[in-house]
Amino acid sequence: DIVMTQTPLSLSVTPGQPASISCKSSRSLLHSDGKTYLDWFLQKPGQSPQLLIYEVSRRFSGVPDRFSASGSGTDFTLKISRVEAEDVGVYYCMQGVHLPWTFGQGTKVEIK
Amino acid sequence: EVQLVQSGGGLVQPGGSLRLSCVASGFTFSSYWMHWVRQAPGKGLVWVARVNTDGSGTNYPDSVKGRITISRDNAKNTLYLQMNSLRAEDTAVYYCARDSGSYGIDYWGQGTLVSVSS
Repeated sequence: DIVMTQTPLSLSVTPGQPASISCKSSRSLLHSDGKTYLDWFLQKPGQSPQLLIYEVSRRFSGVPDRFSASGSGTDFTLKISRVEAEDVGVYYCMQGVHLPWTFGQGTKVEIK
Repeated sequence: EVQLVQSGGGLVQPGGSLRLSCVASGFTFSSYWMHWVRQAPGKGLVWVARVNTDGSGTNYPDSVKGRITISRDNAKNTLYLQMNSLRAEDTAVYYCARDSGSYGIDYWGQGTLVSVSS
């Protein structure tokens, strides 16, 4: 199975400051169709996960532009340009290339 | 509005069975692949099953293969997860989720708790 490794596992951020989360996969996530199926989800406290980013860097509908993401192959990054109180929760990366689909361990983001 | 409304969770004894349901609305259910993802208490997300649009194709991780079956009834806009030979380690919140194809998993149900304990 593909192992997805996120760092850090927790992050405490002052509102208005940036935050960055890394996600590394044990194998390339480049699909034979030329796309890279790496997604980012946010699970707010007590809620279901919600899609933030799909195919490495594409923001899902309604996701604020303070969220951006990049990467290729095995190394990926999610960035929040200015963290707001509503951004608290656990962030997960997920690969949808190789079965079984696998998630990172999650990165808990809290506000200082 | 896309909605996935789940039901069917509860307490079950080890070795028992349970069937979860997920009723979809707000989109053409029969056009989308669907998934189940679970989350043990205080733990991360784990993908457990996928089904194609007409139910003829399914995928599972080895950890649940043979004990869990995903299926769907497109006439009822309903996704199912049949769980047999349940173990304590199957205790989790189970989420159904839609696969948009373009965006991957884009919408999630509210989750339903399955507790396996004697």
